[in-house]
Amino acid sequence: DTGVSQDPRHKITKRGQNVTFRCDPISEHNRLYWYRQTLGQGPEFLTYFQNEAQLEKSRLLSDRFSAERPKGSFSTLEIQRTEQGDSAMYLCASQLGGAASYEQYFGPGTRLTVT
Amino acid sequence: DAKTTQPPSMDCAEGRAANLPCNHSTISGNEYVYWYRQIHSQGPQYIIHGLKNNETNEMASLIITEDRKSSTLILPHATLRDTAVYYCIVELSGGYQKVTFGTGTKLQVIP
Repeated sequence: DTGVSQDPRHKITKRGQNVTFRCDPISEHNRLYWYRQTLGQGPEFLTYFQNEAQLEKSRLLSDRFSAERPKGSFSTLEIQRTEQGDSAMYLCASQLGGAASYEQYFGPGTRLTVT
Repeated sequence: DAKTTQPPSMDCAEGRAANLPCNHSTISGNEYVYWYRQIHSQGPQYIIHGLKNNETNEMASLIITEDRKSSTLILPHATLRDTAVYYCIVELSGGYQKVTFGTGTKLQVIP
């Protein structure tokens, strides 16, 4: 257990439905990342938060995707009008910010299946 | 694109040392080498990182060549629970890290 939790762990939804995932990072970590991982591939960066500010979004994050981190604590990732291509593992990671180099702590992920 | 090159798979006998290589020939002076691993159906787990000196912790050792163009992760006594995909990553120190994982090395520890 890394101290990062994600909910739900699994989600099955029908194409066209909206889904929302939650990530609770380690409390003192001010940086939070979302990644997506498809079968046989390594995780791919989606977006990054420094406290409550979303500072970068990957081009993978289409207009149907939105992420928030209100109050700089937990974060949510919403996918609207899901498509079968959205089926993947969605991973959240938190990191202590600062001038030094720190590792990222990953949650267990949310596995999304779009039918 | 990943900044590192790793063999797609390796086998190691249980109890022996597992040596996982990584090439990062374009690494810049302020970039660190990180290693993570991902056991099936779990999130990636941090193992170790270093800049230019060799590093050791309770999980592994990291050997970085003098020119910093390659490194080796050493698991001194591999167990079946070390079976996982191992990712070698190069990232800047400080700042945020938009990590590019690549496809890693699938290490299979054999009884």
